[in-house]
Amino acid sequence: EAQVTQNPRYLITVTGKKLTVTCSQNMNHEYMSWYRQDPGLGLRQIYYSMNVEVTDKGDVPEGYKVSRKEKRNFPLILESPSPNQTSLYFCASSFRGGTGAMGSNQPQHFGDGTRLSIL
Amino acid sequence: GNSVTQMEGPVTLSEEAFLTINCTYTATGYPSLFWYVQYPGEGLQLLLKATKADDKGSNKGFEATYRKETTSFHLEKGSVQVSDSAVYFCALSGNTGNQFYFGTGTSLTVIP
Repeated sequence: EAQVTQNPRYLITVTGKKLTVTCSQNMNHEYMSWYRQDPGLGLRQIYYSMNVEVTDKGDVPEGYKVSRKEKRNFPLILESPSPNQTSLYFCASSFRGGTGAMGSNQPQHFGDGTRLSIL
Repeated sequence: GNSVTQMEGPVTLSEEAFLTINCTYTATGYPSLFWYVQYPGEGLQLLLKATKADDKGSNKGFEATYRKETTSFHLEKGSVQVSDSAVYFCALSGNTGNQFYFGTGTSLTVIP
């Protein structure tokens, strides 16, 4: 079954304790992305990756890091989490990013979300 | 810059009623436009898309037309069902196709 898998689904932690949210896709997609969803703000893009070893900032990258060492994995790292990073996080992937027929009109497949609470 | 403005919710409709959820956008160049749907406890799923002006996206009875002159992409359905209850997000991709901008979401509840 084609899917994007995030772990953990829920996490409560404390300020300053480094954490990693994993994301894995089994569709051989080139493009992967992280979003946070907050009430009244919708989804905002944190980082995205066009392919292995290629990452770039989205709209709200501050306080986050990512890496793309393998095509299937795109972990989100919070080096020193703070309460304003309490949110619902989604990972997504698509066949390819960029423009054109094989690009941005490709649907993104989303994971089921990770709810982070930072006290 | 790029942004999406969506109709505020929540929206409550009776089964078989007509649905419109308004979406307008601001973008440079020629973005692609999308509607995504989120069911409770799940991630977003693509509902429909349009990649150029005057394109109509359609799926599962939902439709939206890419109107460049009014910078709009309103979602419509002629007869909603209880199973359509969800949160609907309008979105656009920027010029490079790598960055995505979502609206705030509109919650729809359909009552029998």
